Amino acid sequence: NAGVTQTPKFRILKIGQSMTLQCTQDMNHNYMYWYRQDPGMGLKLIYYSVGAGITDKGEVPNGYNVSRSTTEDFPLRLELAAPSQTSVYFCASSYAQGWDTGELFFGEGSRLTVL
Amino acid sequence: AQTVTQSQPEMSVQEAETVTLSCTYDTSESDYYLFWYKQPPSRQMILVIRQEAYKQQNATENRFSVNFQKAAKSFSLKISDSQLGDAAMYFCAYTINNDMRFGAGTRLTVKP
Repeated sequence: NAGVTQTPKFRILKIGQSMTLQCTQDMNHNYMYWYRQDPGMGLKLIYYSVGAGITDKGEVPNGYNVSRSTTEDFPLRLELAAPSQTSVYFCASSYAQGWDTGELFFGEGSRLTVL
Repeated sequence: AQTVTQSQPEMSVQEAETVTLSCTYDTSESDYYLFWYKQPPSRQMILVIRQEAYKQQNATENRFSVNFQKAAKSFSLKISDSQLGDAAMYFCAYTINNDMRFGAGTRLTVKP
Protein backbone atom coordinates (compact mmCIF):
# COMPACT_ATOMS: atom_id res chain seq x y z
CA ASN A 1 0.00 0.00 0.00
CA ALA A 2 1.80 3.13 -1.25
CA GLY A 3 -0.41 5.69 0.57
CA VAL A 4 0.21 9.25 -0.66
CA THR A 5 2.92 9.63 -3.27
CA GLN A 6 4.40 12.96 -4.32
CA THR A 7 6.74 13.70 -7.19
CA PRO A 8 9.27 15.16 -7.61
CA LYS A 9 10.92 15.13 -4.18
CA PHE A 10 13.30 17.95 -5.08
CA ARG A 11 13.21 20.62 -7.78
CA ILE A 12 15.01 23.84 -8.56
CA LEU A 13 13.19 26.39 -10.70
CA LYS A 14 14.20 29.68 -12.22
CA ILE A 15 12.04 32.74 -11.62
CA GLY A 16 9.15 32.79 -14.08
CA GLN A 17 9.19 29.07 -14.86
CA SER A 18 6.16 26.88 -14.30
CA MET A 19 5.85 23.35 -13.02
CA THR A 20 3.41 20.80 -11.64
CA LEU A 21 3.78 18.87 -8.41
CA GLN A 22 2.12 15.51 -8.73
CA CYS A 23 0.18 13.82 -5.93
CA THR A 24 -1.59 10.50 -6.03
CA GLN A 25 -3.20 8.36 -3.34
CA ASP A 26 -4.33 4.76 -3.49
CA MET A 27 -6.60 4.72 -0.42
CA ASN A 28 -9.76 5.85 -2.23
CA HIS A 29 -9.89 8.97 -0.07
CA ASN A 30 -12.38 11.66 -1.00
CA TYR A 31 -10.51 14.56 0.59
CA MET A 32 -7.14 15.78 -0.60
CA TYR A 33 -5.05 18.78 0.43
CA TRP A 34 -1.97 20.73 -0.50
CA TYR A 35 0.07 22.41 2.23
CA ARG A 36 3.29 24.37 2.17
CA GLN A 37 5.81 24.50 5.00
CA ASP A 38 8.18 27.45 5.17
CA PRO A 39 11.31 27.32 7.38
CA GLY A 40 10.43 27.67 11.06
CA MET A 41 6.72 27.74 10.33
CA GLY A 42 3.81 25.36 10.51
CA LEU A 43 1.95 24.07 7.50
CA LYS A 44 -0.38 26.38 5.62
CA LEU A 45 -3.23 25.18 3.43
CA ILE A 46 -2.98 26.12 -0.24
CA TYR A 47 -5.91 24.27 -1.80
CA TYR A 48 -8.13 21.36 -0.94
CA SER A 49 -10.63 19.10 -2.67
CA VAL A 50 -13.61 17.23 -1.25
CA GLY A 51 -13.99 14.99 -4.28
CA ALA A 52 -13.36 14.64 -8.00
CA GLY A 53 -14.27 17.83 -9.84
CA ILE A 54 -14.43 19.96 -6.67
CA THR A 55 -11.64 22.21 -5.42
CA ASP A 56 -11.46 25.17 -3.07
CA LYS A 57 -8.94 27.72 -1.86
CA GLY A 58 -7.15 27.50 1.43
CA GLU A 59 -5.23 30.14 3.37
CA VAL A 60 -2.49 30.83 0.78
CA PRO A 61 -3.75 30.05 -2.77
CA ASN A 62 -2.15 32.90 -4.73
CA GLY A 63 0.26 31.74 -7.42
CA TYR A 64 -1.09 28.20 -7.51
CA ASN A 65 -3.74 26.21 -9.32
CA VAL A 66 -5.13 22.73 -8.81
CA SER A 67 -7.40 20.27 -10.53
CA ARG A 68 -9.08 17.06 -9.41
CA SER A 69 -10.18 15.02 -12.42
CA THR A 70 -9.96 11.68 -10.59
CA THR A 71 -10.27 10.53 -6.99
CA GLU A 72 -6.62 9.44 -6.96
CA ASP A 73 -4.82 12.49 -8.35
CA PHE A 74 -4.52 16.05 -7.13
CA PRO A 75 -1.77 17.95 -8.99
CA LEU A 76 -0.59 21.40 -7.88
CA ARG A 77 0.45 23.82 -10.61
CA LEU A 78 2.85 26.70 -10.01
CA GLU A 79 2.63 29.42 -12.64
CA LEU A 80 5.40 32.01 -13.01
CA ALA A 81 7.48 30.78 -10.07
CA ALA A 82 8.71 33.39 -7.58
CA PRO A 83 11.33 33.16 -4.80
CA SER A 84 8.49 33.46 -2.25
CA GLN A 85 7.32 30.03 -3.39
CA THR A 86 10.50 28.38 -2.15
CA SER A 87 9.14 25.91 0.37
CA VAL A 88 8.43 22.28 1.15
CA TYR A 89 5.09 21.16 -0.25
CA PHE A 90 3.01 18.43 1.30
CA CYS A 91 0.09 16.61 -0.21
CA ALA A 92 -2.33 14.86 2.14
CA SER A 93 -5.55 12.91 1.95
CA SER A 94 -8.31 11.72 4.27
CA TYR A 95 -11.35 9.49 4.01
CA ALA A 96 -13.76 11.84 5.70
CA GLN A 97 -13.39 15.48 6.58
CA GLY A 98 -9.90 15.29 7.98
CA TRP A 99 -10.21 18.41 10.04
CA ASP A 100 -12.43 16.56 12.50
CA THR A 101 -10.68 13.23 12.72
CA GLY A 102 -7.15 14.56 12.30
CA GLU A 103 -6.45 11.45 10.31
CA LEU A 104 -4.68 13.09 7.44
CA PHE A 105 -2.25 10.89 5.56
CA PHE A 106 0.71 12.90 4.33
CA GLY A 107 3.14 12.37 1.52
CA GLU A 108 6.87 12.74 2.10
CA GLY A 109 6.98 16.28 0.78
CA SER A 110 8.49 18.03 -2.23
CA ARG A 111 11.27 20.57 -1.66
CA LEU A 112 11.05 23.38 -4.20
CA THR A 113 13.66 26.11 -4.59
CA VAL A 114 13.09 29.12 -6.84
CA LEU A 115 16.23 31.04 -7.83
CA ALA B 1 -1.90 36.27 12.43
CA GLN B 2 -0.60 33.03 13.85
CA THR B 3 -3.32 31.32 15.82
CA VAL B 4 -1.29 28.44 17.22
CA THR B 5 1.73 29.19 19.40
CA GLN B 6 4.42 26.74 20.36
CA SER B 7 6.72 28.69 22.64
CA GLN B 8 9.53 26.13 22.74
CA PRO B 9 11.44 25.98 19.43
CA GLU B 10 13.65 23.21 20.84
CA MET B 11 13.44 20.75 23.71
CA SER B 12 15.73 18.03 24.93
CA VAL B 13 15.01 14.98 27.08
CA GLN B 14 17.02 12.09 28.42
CA GLU B 15 15.99 8.67 27.23
CA ALA B 16 13.37 7.07 29.55
CA GLU B 17 12.45 10.41 31.10
CA THR B 18 9.34 12.56 30.63
CA VAL B 19 9.02 15.75 28.60
CA THR B 20 6.15 18.19 28.07
CA LEU B 21 5.69 20.26 24.93
CA SER B 22 3.57 23.40 25.19
CA CYS B 23 0.91 24.73 22.85
CA THR B 24 -1.59 27.57 23.06
CA TYR B 25 -4.15 28.53 20.46
CA ASP B 26 -6.70 31.19 19.76
CA THR B 27 -10.22 30.48 18.59
CA SER B 28 -13.68 31.86 19.30
CA GLU B 29 -15.30 28.54 18.44
CA SER B 30 -16.70 26.35 21.22
CA ASP B 31 -16.45 23.06 19.41
CA TYR B 32 -13.24 22.13 17.63
CA TYR B 33 -10.51 19.51 17.49
CA LEU B 34 -6.89 19.68 18.55
CA PHE B 35 -4.02 17.53 17.34
CA TRP B 36 -0.37 16.77 17.84
CA TYR B 37 1.58 15.65 14.80
CA LYS B 38 5.09 14.22 14.68
CA GLN B 39 7.43 14.91 11.78
CA PRO B 40 10.57 12.73 11.82
CA PRO B 41 13.56 13.45 9.55
CA SER B 42 11.80 11.56 6.77
CA ARG B 43 9.45 14.60 6.70
CA GLN B 44 6.24 12.56 6.66
CA MET B 45 3.72 13.93 9.17
CA ILE B 46 2.23 11.37 11.56
CA LEU B 47 -0.78 11.93 13.82
CA VAL B 48 0.21 11.36 17.46
CA ILE B 49 -2.94 12.23 19.39
CA ARG B 50 -6.30 13.97 19.00
CA GLN B 51 -8.51 15.83 21.48
CA GLU B 52 -12.12 16.85 20.98
CA ALA B 53 -12.78 20.20 22.67
CA TYR B 54 -16.16 19.17 24.04
CA LYS B 55 -14.57 16.31 25.99
CA GLN B 56 -13.14 17.23 29.37
CA GLN B 57 -11.16 14.03 29.70
CA ASN B 58 -7.60 14.32 28.45
CA ALA B 59 -6.69 12.07 25.54
CA THR B 60 -4.09 9.34 26.00
CA GLU B 61 -2.29 7.14 23.48
CA ASN B 62 0.18 4.76 25.10
CA ARG B 63 3.14 6.93 26.23
CA PHE B 64 1.58 10.13 24.87
CA SER B 65 -0.98 12.16 26.78
CA VAL B 66 -2.30 15.70 26.68
CA ASN B 67 -3.19 18.31 29.25
CA PHE B 68 -6.12 20.16 27.72
CA GLN B 69 -7.14 23.39 29.47
CA LYS B 70 -10.02 24.77 27.42
CA ALA B 71 -10.49 28.03 29.31
CA ALA B 72 -6.79 28.80 29.03
CA LYS B 73 -6.70 27.58 25.40
CA SER B 74 -3.76 25.39 26.25
CA PHE B 75 -2.99 21.95 24.83
CA SER B 76 0.31 20.47 25.99
CA LEU B 77 1.74 17.08 25.03
CA LYS B 78 3.44 14.84 27.57
CA ILE B 79 5.74 12.07 26.40
CA SER B 80 6.54 9.51 29.06
CA ASP B 81 9.44 7.05 29.01
CA SER B 82 11.00 8.89 26.06
CA GLN B 83 12.59 6.74 23.38
CA LEU B 84 15.22 7.56 20.76
CA GLY B 85 12.54 7.13 18.10
CA ASP B 86 10.58 10.02 19.60
CA ALA B 87 13.15 12.48 18.26
CA ALA B 88 11.34 14.65 15.72
CA MET B 89 9.57 17.93 15.10
CA TYR B 90 6.23 18.09 16.89
CA PHE B 91 3.42 20.26 15.60
CA CYS B 92 0.32 21.32 17.47
CA ALA B 93 -2.74 21.99 15.30
CA TYR B 94 -6.43 22.71 15.51
CA THR B 95 -9.32 22.89 13.10
CA ILE B 96 -10.97 26.15 12.07
CA ASN B 97 -13.60 26.41 9.33
CA ASN B 98 -12.28 24.33 6.43
CA ASP B 99 -8.69 24.36 7.51
CA MET B 100 -6.28 22.89 10.03
CA ARG B 101 -3.93 25.51 11.52
CA PHE B 102 -0.48 24.46 12.64
CA GLY B 103 2.02 25.93 15.06
CA ALA B 104 5.64 26.51 14.10
CA GLY B 105 6.77 23.30 15.77
CA THR B 106 9.06 22.13 18.58
CA ARG B 107 12.17 20.16 17.76
CA LEU B 108 12.61 17.35 20.31
CA THR B 109 16.02 15.78 20.86
CA VAL B 110 16.31 12.56 22.84
CA LYS B 111 19.66 11.92 24.49
CA PRO B 112 20.78 8.32 25.08
